[in-house]
Amino acid sequence: GAGVSQTPSNKVTEKGKYVELRCDPISGHTALYWYRQSLGQGPEFLIYFQGTGAADDSGLPNDRFFAVRPEGSVSTLKIQRTERGDSAVYLCASSSSGGPTDTQYFGPGTRLTVL
Amino acid sequence: TQLLEQSPQFLSIQEGENLTVYCNSSSVFSSLQWYRQEPGEGPVLLVTVVTGGEVKKLKRLTFQFGDARKDSSLHITAAQTGDTGLYLCAGYGGATNKLIFGTGTLLAVQP
Repeated sequence: GAGVSQTPSNKVTEKGKYVELRCDPISGHTALYWYRQSLGQGPEFLIYFQGTGAADDSGLPNDRFFAVRPEGSVSTLKIQRTERGDSAVYLCASSSSGGPTDTQYFGPGTRLTVL
Repeated sequence: TQLLEQSPQFLSIQEGENLTVYCNSSSVFSSLQWYRQEPGEGPVLLVTVVTGGEVKKLKRLTFQFGDARKDSSLHITAAQTGDTGLYLCAGYGGATNKLIFGTGTLLAVQP
C-alpha cells in the first residue's frame, strides 16, 4: 500500500507569511507525528495525534505553530508569521496505534525555506 | 530532558572498512531504535533493541544495547557504498509516545 505522503515537497516563502504543510498518513493508522529536522541533525518532535486529538503538543516551539487532524487521517501543520529560523525539513510519520513498540513510518518531508 | 548524543558526527571511510557508531545518554531508555536516512527521504527503521545487553544482527550490521539501557552501538562490517546515509538512534522515554532522536552520524562510504 501507499506510504506516508507529504505536500508540498518544497515550499519557499517570505518572512512573515503563513504556510500550511500537509501530511497523508498510511491508511488506517491512528497515530500521527510531526517532526522538524535541521540539516545533518536528528528530527525534533513537534506534536503527536491519536485520532483527531493532539495527545502531546509539547514540542511546538511557540504559538505561531499549530496542527490539526479534523477527521483522524490527513493532518495539516500551520505556521503563522514565518521567521527565517523556521527553515527546516518538516517530517510527518504515522503508526498503527501509537504505542511505543509500534513502528513509525516517515514521509519524505517538506523542505521549508523562509527568505 | 532526555538527550541522545551520537559519535562520531561525521565519518568518511573506504568501501570494505569496518566502523562503529555510538549513541549515549545519561538517561535510561525502555528501548532504543536505529534508523537510516537518505537525502530527500524520511528515516527508515533498521532495528529496535529492548533488553539490556541485547545484540541484534541484520546482515552486516550489528546492534548492541548497553546493560544499563543508556547507550547503544551500531557496527558495520565491510561497509559498502550503499551504506552511505545519516544514521540516527532514537528512544522512547518513560510513558511518552514521542521519539527522542539522537544528534545523528553522517556516514560516507567511498568506492
